[in-house]
Amino acid sequence: DIQMTQSPSSLSASVGDRVTITCRASLSTNIYLNWYQQKPGKAPKLLIHGASSLQSGVPSRFSGSGSGTDFTLTISNLQPEDFATYYCQQSYATPYTFGQGTNLEIK
Amino acid sequence: EVHLVETGGGLIQPGGSLRLSCAASGFTVSNYYMSWVRQAPGKGLEWVSIIYSGGGGITYYADSVKGRFTISRDNSKNTLYLQMNTLRAEDTAVYYCAREDPAVETYYMDVWGKGTTVTVSS
Repeated sequence: DIQMTQSPSSLSASVGDRVTITCRASLSTNIYLNWYQQKPGKAPKLLIHGASSLQSGVPSRFSGSGSGTDFTLTISNLQPEDFATYYCQQSYATPYTFGQGTNLEIK
Repeated sequence: EVHLVETGGGLIQPGGSLRLSCAASGFTVSNYYMSWVRQAPGKGLEWVSIIYSGGGGITYYADSVKGRFTISRDNSKNTLYLQMNTLRAEDTAVYYCAREDPAVETYYMDVWGKGTTVTVSS
């Protein structure tokens, strides 16, 4: 199975900040890497697919990069509604696997 | 508009069985890859199972549920199912269904239901 490791596990930031979350795969996943946002009590929401493609309707302050084993999610100009938990997920091979999540909190 | 609605969760004793349903609207389930993903209380997301599109309906499972859970769909009802047998305490979670479009270059779950809660406890 492909293991996904996210860092950091938690992050404190302020409105207007720029933050970066990293995700490392134990094997190459090419660009089969997706990012999801989840708020408490809600279903995950797709933000980025194919490592760097912005899902329709998602604000452009979200961006993704990387390929192979190393990926990043960057959120520029943090807004109050961005404080949530973020997960990376590889769709290169079953079993699909998720990172452990990054909890983004307000400083 | 595209929607997924999960039902069938509840409180069940260890060793028991439960069948979850995921009713789709706005698209045809058989044309998409459909997955179940679960989230234990206070934990992260865990992929459970997938059924591919088309008549073959190839399926895959996480090792943690293989041999106990069965994913299926009823095309006439446009509904996805997860039959869960021999349930354990560690199966306690919110269960989400999600779709993937097999026609895109990379695979991603773009539509999710709101989830149904399964609690396995005596």
